[in-house]
Amino acid sequence: GQQVMQIPQYQHVQEGEDFTTYCNSSTTLSNIQWYKQRPGGHPVFLIQLVKSGEVKKQKRLTFQFGEAKKNSSLHITATQTTDVGTYFCAGLARDGTSYGKLTFGQGTILTVHP
Amino acid sequence: EAQVTQNPRYLITVTGKKLTVTCSQNMNHEYMSWYRQDPGLGLRQIYYSMNVEVTDKGDVPEGYKVSRKEKRNFPLILESPSPNQTSLYFCASSLLIGTNNYGYTFGSGTRLTVV
Repeated sequence: GQQVMQIPQYQHVQEGEDFTTYCNSSTTLSNIQWYKQRPGGHPVFLIQLVKSGEVKKQKRLTFQFGEAKKNSSLHITATQTTDVGTYFCAGLARDGTSYGKLTFGQGTILTVHP
Repeated sequence: EAQVTQNPRYLITVTGKKLTVTCSQNMNHEYMSWYRQDPGLGLRQIYYSMNVEVTDKGDVPEGYKVSRKEKRNFPLILESPSPNQTSLYFCASSLLIGTNNYGYTFGSGTRLTVV
């Protein structure tokens, strides 16, 4: 079945440093979504990417979808302590039979030292 | 306020004692799903439902049951819980158009401990 791998598993940064997490799918995706889960909280939807090569920005966050629609990245510029949490990618397979089933990556746990 | 409501938030139970975790959404979403979250394993889908009376297994369905009698409710049933079902559980719903999932709204989670 479809697998989504996410790296790194952990990332520790000093406040102000940049952060990137990468997501790779074993199959071509219809779309990819990103979620953030604060410590002790629930995942919250951030964004969906649909088009090949798509780049979207939300303030300091930049999301990219690969040309082959099999990989994606999330980049945070100048991290702040409010960025702490686990970031998940989730891919929707393009085979048309998944009926909305998202496969989640393992997540990247980001800690930010002030 | 658009939301997914799960209950209870915390539950400690004994092996073999049947339990139900409730989930309700007020967004008229067709698609609902249950996930379990375990350290290092991310979110794994247990069951999902595309609409009323339409449910199917996810990646880790063993030991669980679900039902979808009404559009807003999607309870998760553990007929005979075992310690390996100790986990953090999330219910989620989303708008589904064709096969496209437009992004989940998650409930606040249920932390289940089976002793």
